[in-house]
Amino acid sequence: DAGITQSPRHKVTETGTPVTLRCHQTENHRYMYWYRQDPGHGLRLIHYSYGVKDTDKGEVSDGYSVSRSKTEDFLLTLESATSSQTSVYFCAILTSGDEQFFGPGTRLTVL
Amino acid sequence: GQQVMQIPQYQHVQEGEDFTTYCNSSTTLSNIQWYKQRPGGHPVFLIQLVKSGEVKKQKRLTFQFGEAKKNSSLHITATQTTDVGTYFCADNGGYQKVTFGTGTKLQVIP
Repeated sequence: DAGITQSPRHKVTETGTPVTLRCHQTENHRYMYWYRQDPGHGLRLIHYSYGVKDTDKGEVSDGYSVSRSKTEDFLLTLESATSSQTSVYFCAILTSGDEQFFGPGTRLTVL
Repeated sequence: GQQVMQIPQYQHVQEGEDFTTYCNSSTTLSNIQWYKQRPGGHPVFLIQLVKSGEVKKQKRLTFQFGEAKKNSSLHITATQTTDVGTYFCADNGGYQKVTFGTGTKLQVIP
């Protein structure tokens, strides 16, 4: 599993509140990713990082921000959560062989 | 932007039947990857194809990359209940950004 953990695993929050999801890896991989998964849409890239303090937007970045102050941690923040952000969020790393390994996921519900 | 579509969206098969999912892109694919996600789980990397026309096998699974590098397929021979899940193709399109297909959900009826 490439030593990837996500926290929290489940969260219920209210519209308008800030939410931060954490992804932690133990194997020093350079590239880290945040995806959201919704029925009928597969996996959609939110943001990704190619090093400490180096991040870029994916296809569905509106309403999300990220930070990477340490190699091992990649944080995803919803500044003001909306019901459309109810989803399952997956973090992933990229190995040197171009394989993506995913974390266990965070199920977020915004009421 | 690039779109990677998979068909069918859902497939129910009797155990022992074969199954195929197709991945089609609006643009030329760089490399094609396949992932499997079990119900309630996370996607797991299966394989990567790089060359035009490439064919790779993993036991009962056969992966193909189209000659024009705009499509790919995954074929499972004699499905088993352990094959249940959603299969995704993905284009590792450079700059380490991976675009995932919409997925095919496979249900195997015992």
